Amino acid sequence: SQQGEEDPQALSIQEGENATMNCSYKTSINNLQWYRQNSGRGLVHLILIRSNEREKHSGRLRVTLDTSKKSSSLLITASRAADTASYFCATALIQGAQKLVFGQGTRLTINP
Amino acid sequence: NAGVMQNPRHLVRRRGQEARLRCSPMKGHSHVYWYRQLPEEGLKFMVYLQKENIIDESGMPKERFSAEFPKEGPSILRIQQVVRGDSAAYFCASSWGGLQGTEAFFGQGTRLTVV
Repeated sequence: SQQGEEDPQALSIQEGENATMNCSYKTSINNLQWYRQNSGRGLVHLILIRSNEREKHSGRLRVTLDTSKKSSSLLITASRAADTASYFCATALIQGAQKLVFGQGTRLTINP
Repeated sequence: NAGVMQNPRHLVRRRGQEARLRCSPMKGHSHVYWYRQLPEEGLKFMVYLQKENIIDESGMPKERFSAEFPKEGPSILRIQQVVRGDSAAYFCASSWGGLQGTEAFFGQGTRLTVV
């Protein structure tokens, strides 16, 4: 079963509004990472948040992590048309495997 | 410092042919990961390698697929006797250390089309 599940699967908002995407996971993690993927392109790393951190900022991005609820959120403030992309959360597990487990992603559309 | 380089960007193969996908990690990175992405889906882990060693191949199909990361040169993902279901985007990522402490950086991907 999927370790990371994003919600919603698709989100369409007006330029200038804030966009919030959520990610839930099942097993204990070492860290959680958010990535952006423009259509037909590779993934761009956005933010890494460790299991002992609760919130992290990078420009217009804010990521929160609640390990008790096994969930994370990505907030993009003052959205721009260029933010249109798919956003994925990926978890690095504590136990064993050195790999990132990705969710299905949220497709974000910013309407001008 | 160039990012993760993958080539070719697009690859078309007929059923039954072999596909070879190359990945050069970022300078100083010794950990390489291969992922497969089907349209409208997330990335699925295939294999994790360090120089000359396969560490985790739990996501790799048992047949036709193989990967290597030699001491010199790029990492290679090899698919023998391709079938239509192998059509997908294949992404390579690299990291400086293990993912418990560092982020992974992805290449632009190789889009494989099997006709």
